Amino acid sequence: KQEVTQIPAALSVPEGENLVLNCSFTDSAIYNLQWFRQDPGKGLTSLLLIQSSQREQTSGRLNASLDKSSGRSTLYIAASQPGDSATYLCANQYSGAGSYQLTFGKGTKLSVIP
Amino acid sequence: DTGVSQDPRHKITKRGQNVTFRCDPISEHNRLYWYRQTLGQGPEFLTYFQNEAQLEKSRLLSDRFSAERPKGSFSTLEIQRTEQGDSAMYLCASSRGRTIDYEQYFGPGTRLTVT
Repeated sequence: KQEVTQIPAALSVPEGENLVLNCSFTDSAIYNLQWFRQDPGKGLTSLLLIQSSQREQTSGRLNASLDKSSGRSTLYIAASQPGDSATYLCANQYSGAGSYQLTFGKGTKLSVIP
Repeated sequence: DTGVSQDPRHKITKRGQNVTFRCDPISEHNRLYWYRQTLGQGPEFLTYFQNEAQLEKSRLLSDRFSAERPKGSFSTLEIQRTEQGDSAMYLCASSRGRTIDYEQYFGPGTRLTVT
């Protein structure tokens, strides 16, 4: 069974800082890994998707990396802004799940202080 | 592309009542997923459709839960005889399901409160 862990559970940083969110998973036989953002009481917004053959993806101030062999992914946020405050979730699709459902971590709650 | 939509956005019901939620996926997406998210947790998989066929159900989906996707378009999730433990956010997602494109797009969710 795939298990996804996100550390830390919560993070508070001053505006302008660069930060890294961590995600680890137990089964390296994954098809892809997605990072999502969730605002309080809202649905999930997809930020980045990394295919299993890729090592990283970038979108604006966000950069996500994937190391399948070690079962780790990181989300790097540059020059953080108060609007980045949200919960960030990582999830992957792995070959043990025939329907390719996503297995999620519990998320990291980010607060960016003005 | 209007995105995934869900209705209602919020539902408050009394224990023992039946509720039904609707999900409209992105058009041309043939895969549709339902997830449940409780406070402080990540979403957990409930069930999956490819077109109109329900191909997988999680053991979280008790006999009180049923889902349909008639004609492979919108989907409904019904909960019968609701219990307080059913209180959660119910999320729907869809994807194209091509060989390398399994990116899932989520709707805004339906928040269920059972009193």
